Amino acid sequence: EAQVTQNPRYLITVTGKKLTVTCSQNMNHEYMSWYRQDPGLGLRQIYYSMNVEVTDKGDVPEGYKVSRKEKRNFPLILESPSPNQTSLYFCASSTGQGLTGELFFGEGSRLTVL
Amino acid sequence: DAKTTQPTSMDCAEGRAANLPCNHSTISGNEYVYWYRQIHSQGPQYIIHGLKNNETNEMASLIITEDRKSSTLILPHATLRDTAVYYCIVRPANSGGYQKVTFGTGTKLQVIP
Repeated sequence: EAQVTQNPRYLITVTGKKLTVTCSQNMNHEYMSWYRQDPGLGLRQIYYSMNVEVTDKGDVPEGYKVSRKEKRNFPLILESPSPNQTSLYFCASSTGQGLTGELFFGEGSRLTVL
Repeated sequence: DAKTTQPTSMDCAEGRAANLPCNHSTISGNEYVYWYRQIHSQGPQYIIHGLKNNETNEMASLIITEDRKSSTLILPHATLRDTAVYYCIVRPANSGGYQKVTFGTGTKLQVIP
């Protein structure tokens, strides 16, 4: 089954404790992206990757890092989480070519930073 | 990327057609219009997309004005399960076009029994 898998789905952590949210897709998609969703602010793009070793900032990259060493994985790293990073996070992937290019989203990871 | 403007919320009676508008007045000639919806806090789900012709699939119809500055998503017979937030976005049609994409806040559609 084609899917985007995020882990963990739920996490409560404390300020400053490094954490990684993993994202994996099994569709051989070139494009992957991270979004955060906060009440009243919609979905905002954090980082995206056009392919392996190619990443770029979205609208709200501060406080986050990403890497794309393999095509299927695109982890989101919070080196020193802060309470303002409490949010619902979504990973998405898409084929980089062709006219369809619909985004496939993961189920989300709800992060709480105390 | 062109930005889109959508109403914050809309109501629709169950069984009636839901018409969700979207303005994208700065859309470029090579940009598609895409619609997604998000039920509760699940990951957004693709609905439909189009360039300049009207499109229809099993979920919805997409009507794009001739000048391409606005579009309307039509759910022909809304059900309670269509209650969701609907996002309209634009993206380039060429390869690797997603890049930096803003979803905005979308339209909260409430289907009323």
